[in-house]
Amino acid sequence: AQSVSQHNHHVILSEAASLELGCNYSYGGTVNLFWYVQYPGQHLQLLLKYFSGDPLVKGIKGFEAEFIKSKFSFNLRKPSVQWSDTAEYFCAVPNDYKLSFGAGTTVTVRA
Amino acid sequence: KAGVTQTPRYLIKTRGQQVTLSCSPISGHRSVSWYQQTPGQGLQFLFEYFSETQRNKGNFPGRFSGRQFSNSRSEMNVSTLELGDSALYLCASSLHPSKRTGELFFGEGSRLTVL
Repeated sequence: AQSVSQHNHHVILSEAASLELGCNYSYGGTVNLFWYVQYPGQHLQLLLKYFSGDPLVKGIKGFEAEFIKSKFSFNLRKPSVQWSDTAEYFCAVPNDYKLSFGAGTTVTVRA
Repeated sequence: KAGVTQTPRYLIKTRGQQVTLSCSPISGHRSVSWYQQTPGQGLQFLFEYFSETQRNKGNFPGRFSGRQFSNSRSEMNVSTLELGDSALYLCASSLHPSKRTGELFFGEGSRLTVL
């Protein structure tokens, strides 16, 4: 069954720094991938998704992710973070009538 | 368009009691999933319902059960509560089963504390 792994548990950075969060999926073939975000005190929401086509996917709030098949990766990026990007970020993959989530990465942006 | 509504938002129970959590999906959504979120285990899948049928169940003991009604509203029940059941229980809805789209719309969760 497909699964995803996130290697960064907690990332701390300053405003205007660039952000990259790693996500690897378990095996090849057709795969759909997602990034979800959970801001403090708010519900989980979809940041962006990849189904097929252009491997560079753009999402909300200036985030993007690149699907690299040869590396089984779907890393999330933002060129310049803001304090409001402080949140927990989850990579996810559909798997047998459910979404399997990675362990999550907590991102803290210092003003 | 109203989002996913979960009730109650917070509740405190003692060991051995049971609890029922409710979820109203977005209007028109027929699929409802439940997840347990804890700091140590992250997001763990509980079950998914589509058109009143349980499509999948996660690796949780039989104390955890759920159902979906004809109006797509869903409930989950946990019997004989244990301390380890303390968690944020998230409900998510989607138009189709999550295997097809993976795009879920989450509620704010029900935070259960077991004393």
